[in-house]
Amino acid sequence: QVQLQESGPGLVKPSQTLSLTCTVSGGSVSSGSYYWSWIRQPPGKGLEWIGYAHYTGNTDYNASLKSRVTMSVDTTKKQFSLKLRSVTAADTAMYYCVGSYCTSSCSMDVWGKGTTVTVSS
Amino acid sequence: SYELTQPLSVSVALGQTAKITCGGNNVETKTVHWYQQKPGQAPVLVIYRDTNRPSGIPDRFSGSNSGSTATLTVSRVQAGDEADYYCQVWDSSTVVFGGGTKVIVL
Repeated sequence: QVQLQESGPGLVKPSQTLSLTCTVSGGSVSSGSYYWSWIRQPPGKGLEWIGYAHYTGNTDYNASLKSRVTMSVDTTKKQFSLKLRSVTAADTAMYYCVGSYCTSSCSMDVWGKGTTVTVSS
Repeated sequence: SYELTQPLSVSVALGQTAKITCGGNNVETKTVHWYQQKPGQAPVLVIYRDTNRPSGIPDRFSGSNSGSTATLTVSRVQAGDEADYYCQVWDSSTVVFGGGTKVIVL
């Protein structure tokens, strides 16, 4: 049973870079059909997909965030990561790392518990 | 960009059936997934590829997708089914979520 655990700072200053890591246990990060996503949820609001990364290096990002996002997978550490640059208060949210099973469609199969990130000086 | 529309809330009496709809342009041609999110918890996949239940999800949860609306049906509703429900599709290499529906159990 794959399990995911997010880690990273809970507080980031405006204009700085938000960096989060997700550690994968109970399964392989190098699975061909699994893409590793980040999804966020501002307080009291709905879910927003940020993007995904595949162990081959393939990535895809939400067009609205693409200019500020970088994701990658580290197979040796069984981790994947998110970097979001130039953050503002609007980036304050719960951030989830997610295992996405993608063939002709992508379902968000496995979710981490989430980590709260607040952007504030 | 593609959009999915869900009702803000659905109220249902205990033991009755809740139907949560998800509308979008030609949604019947897309594959829809559904998630349940209880307060303070991460979402959980309850229906994948329109009609399939992951292991561990009760058969009270079912899905359909036809006639420009995808529907999540929760039969014999229990108090523990009170939650937010989100539909999701994959469109143009992008994951799209509906705005979410709060199911209120009366």
